[in-house]
Formats: sequence, structure tokens, C-alpha cells
Amino acid sequence: DAKTTQPTSMDCAEGRAANLPCNHSTISGNEYVYWYRQIHSQGPQYIIHGLKNNETNEMASLIITEDRKSSTLILPHATLRDTAVYYCIVRVTSGNTGKLIFGQGTTLQVKP
Amino acid sequence: NAGVTQTPKFRILKIGQSMTLQCTQDMNHNYMYWYRQDPGMGLKLIYYSVGAGITDKGEVPNGYNVSRSTTEDFPLRLELAAPSQTSVYFCASSYRELYGYTFGSGTRLTVV
Repeated sequence: DAKTTQPTSMDCAEGRAANLPCNHSTISGNEYVYWYRQIHSQGPQYIIHGLKNNETNEMASLIITEDRKSSTLILPHATLRDTAVYYCIVRVTSGNTGKLIFGQGTTLQVKP
Repeated sequence: NAGVTQTPKFRILKIGQSMTLQCTQDMNHNYMYWYRQDPGMGLKLIYYSVGAGITDKGEVPNGYNVSRSTTEDFPLRLELAAPSQTSVYFCASSYRELYGYTFGSGTRLTVV
């Protein structure tokens, strides 16, 4: 099973920052945190990932706490098109390759 | 550059029939994955491959088979279809282990 805990759903006003939390209290030192989103029933879309430093790209920012037990995905100016299910995933390492194990995710509803 | 292409998009199978879900990518990615997503649930890993000729089981491999004879193609075979295999199937690929995945648009399969 996925080793993350996310709220089932969240709302955000259009134009405001959306802050999506994720708990991963059992994360190991060499495991990465990934964020994906899934709009309607499309294939998931990669957003961002990080190990222990904060990360930023053109889509979002990822803030990881110093103890690495939780993280927050920030969409700085949410739009209606950001309405989706957001998955926080800890990358499980097994053998000589890691695999992404998806949980239930957070349904983000961006409202006008 | 088409990314990850899955065919067919929709399929209805009768119990006991067999079929192959096709997945091809044109990004020269070594890593490829098959996931299934049941209604209202997250994605579950079926099989994955780290390169041509190498495949391994994921979380839910029973009832499925895969092969990887080329870098581009990663077909998923269903033998003796069962109603429990009704799901949306997603194929994904990545350039390297730690890179984000690119997902296809999915195959919606119904077994009746």
C-alpha cells in the first residue's frame, strides 16, 4: 500500500494559491516524494518531485519539511483547469528499480 | 512526437476471451509500466519493464502477461478475461528511474 496520507478533498478559490498537504511519516532517507494529478479520467500528469530540498518548476512548488515526514504541493495561482485528483506518492524502492505506488489522492475543486 | 500511445481506447470482452492491449512510445524511454484503475480508486501497478527483454511483476499481476521485445513496445496480454478485469488501463514510460512518468490516455475495458 501507498505510504502517504492525503485529505480526501479540498476546495480553492480561483486565482488563490492551492496548498495540498501530504503526510509520509515512514519515509526512508533515500525515497523521493512525487506529485501527479489526474484530470477527469485522463492519464495522470507528472507535476514535480523532490528528495529533501524544496523544488519549483513551471507548474508548482514542493515544500518538504526538514524531518521529511510531510510535504506540501503549492499551485501558486489556481485556475479552473487545475481541478483534478492530486496524488502524493513515495517512490518505493524494490530490487534494482523503484516503482510508483498510487494511493487515493486529494480531489481539488477550484471554484470561481 | 506522439508520446505514449495506447490502443484500443475502448473494448468490450466476453468472459473467457483474450486480448492484447497495445502500448508504444516514441521517446526512447527504457522504463515502461502498466497500471489499472478501478472506478473511484487510485492506480495499481500490474507489470513494469526496465528495458527490452526485462519485465517484472507489480502489485496485481495475476491474469496478465507482458513482453518487451523492443524499446518502443510494451503490450499487455489478458488471458481468459474475467469481470474483475473491468477497469481502465494506463501505460506509462520514463527516461530514467527518477524521472517523471509520461502516461498514455488509457484503454477502457469492460468484461461482460
